[in-house]
Amino acid sequence: GAVVSQHPSWVICKSGTSVKIECRSLDFQATTMFWYRQFPKQSLMLMATSNEGSKATYEQGVEKDKFLINHASLTLSTLTVTSAHPEDSSFYICSAVPLGNEQFFGPGTRLTVL
Amino acid sequence: AQSVTQLDSQVPVFEEAPVELRCNYSSSVSVYLFWYVQYPNQGLQLLLKYLSGSTLVKGINGFEAEFNKSQTSFHLRKPSVHISDTAEYFCAVSRAGNQFYFGTGTSLTVIP
Repeated sequence: GAVVSQHPSWVICKSGTSVKIECRSLDFQATTMFWYRQFPKQSLMLMATSNEGSKATYEQGVEKDKFLINHASLTLSTLTVTSAHPEDSSFYICSAVPLGNEQFFGPGTRLTVL
Repeated sequence: AQSVTQLDSQVPVFEEAPVELRCNYSSSVSVYLFWYVQYPNQGLQLLLKYLSGSTLVKGINGFEAEFNKSQTSFHLRKPSVHISDTAEYFCAVSRAGNQFYFGTGTSLTVIP
């Protein structure tokens, strides 16, 4: 099956710093990738849709200047949390869509902002 | 617009007993339906999916789900649960290639 990786799996940073999270499709090309965040004991909330070669589409209420998304190639999308604060601490999950109708999810990245 | 409702936030069940996790959706168009499992501090793992064809879908780990169009439901079932089935379960709906809409999740706890 299709494999999606995320790096890092866990990151701890100081408040005010920026953190970059990578999402890679390892054995397929993905023109579309999605970024979700998940708070403890809650469901996944879609943050943005990332399309290769174009600007990401953000969901209502998600600050695009704070959560920078770059989909530079068909196998890589990055999410940068700029000037992170403790309230940004969360579990961030990406997914990738090869041709067809199924999303393949990465293992997630746990961000802890001190 | 699509939406997904998982009525049961927590389901405790004894080991080797059957379990059903309920999922209802609303959509004005045809959708694809999915069940995912999430273990603590991990990503989502696909259990099963309904795209078309037979309404009874079998997945991994002995789970199955039945698509009921008239009731707009896609309930997940397992005839005999194991301790290792303790996890969070998410129902999701999507249209082809578009974003997923997830339910709020059901926490399944298997009691020894």
